[in-house]
Amino acid sequence: DSGVTQTPKHLITATGQRVTLRCSPRSGDLSVYWYQQSLDQGLQFLIQYYNGEERAKGNILERFSAQQFPDLHSELNLSSLELGDSALYFCASSVAGSELQETQYFGPGTRLLVL
Amino acid sequence: AQTVTQSQPEMSVQEAETVTLSCTYDTSESDYYLFWYKQPPSRQMILVIRQEAYKQQNATENRFSVNFQKAAKSFSLKISDSQLGDAAMYFCAYRSEENQGAQKLVFGQGTRLTINP
Repeated sequence: DSGVTQTPKHLITATGQRVTLRCSPRSGDLSVYWYQQSLDQGLQFLIQYYNGEERAKGNILERFSAQQFPDLHSELNLSSLELGDSALYFCASSVAGSELQETQYFGPGTRLLVL
Repeated sequence: AQTVTQSQPEMSVQEAETVTLSCTYDTSESDYYLFWYKQPPSRQMILVIRQEAYKQQNATENRFSVNFQKAAKSFSLKISDSQLGDAAMYFCAYRSEENQGAQKLVFGQGTRLTINP
């Protein structure tokens, strides 16, 4: 158990809908990262937050957005869902996100299926 | 942009034997970290081992060790005395410091390792 929690574990929805994925980082970690794992794109970095502020963006679609709240939990919002958004979404956390030697600890992931 | 390549989509090994998984990467940076993550059927991403580019000594963690060749930009993972629980997808990952201290992991496509009893 990495200490990173994600809810829900599974999510099934229809095209055009909107969903919210939630992540709670390890106790003491200030940085949260979101990754998408799909069959065709592999594991891709989406976005990083540090202490409530966006720090880095990767290959995140405009239909997707995220935020980190004062209690440091993070939410990833996916809207206007398409079949291709079906994937496993991981949240990871690290202490600060600013030091190379930091390890990112991954949550168990949320499996999203868009029908 | 940095890229990570794992050229072996699948590997198999007999239980108790040794297997090596390959990884190459492309970067122009001098300081960075390399990681191997394991993803078992549960889909959890588990850190196996990490290596700092500045350290010449290869990292080891029990039965897991790496062969880091900085000039060749190669970072292979050796698993000794393979066990059934080692069966998983293995991902090689690269991390550098992005602007303003942001850090992302860049992953390879993964190698699926099967352990034959």
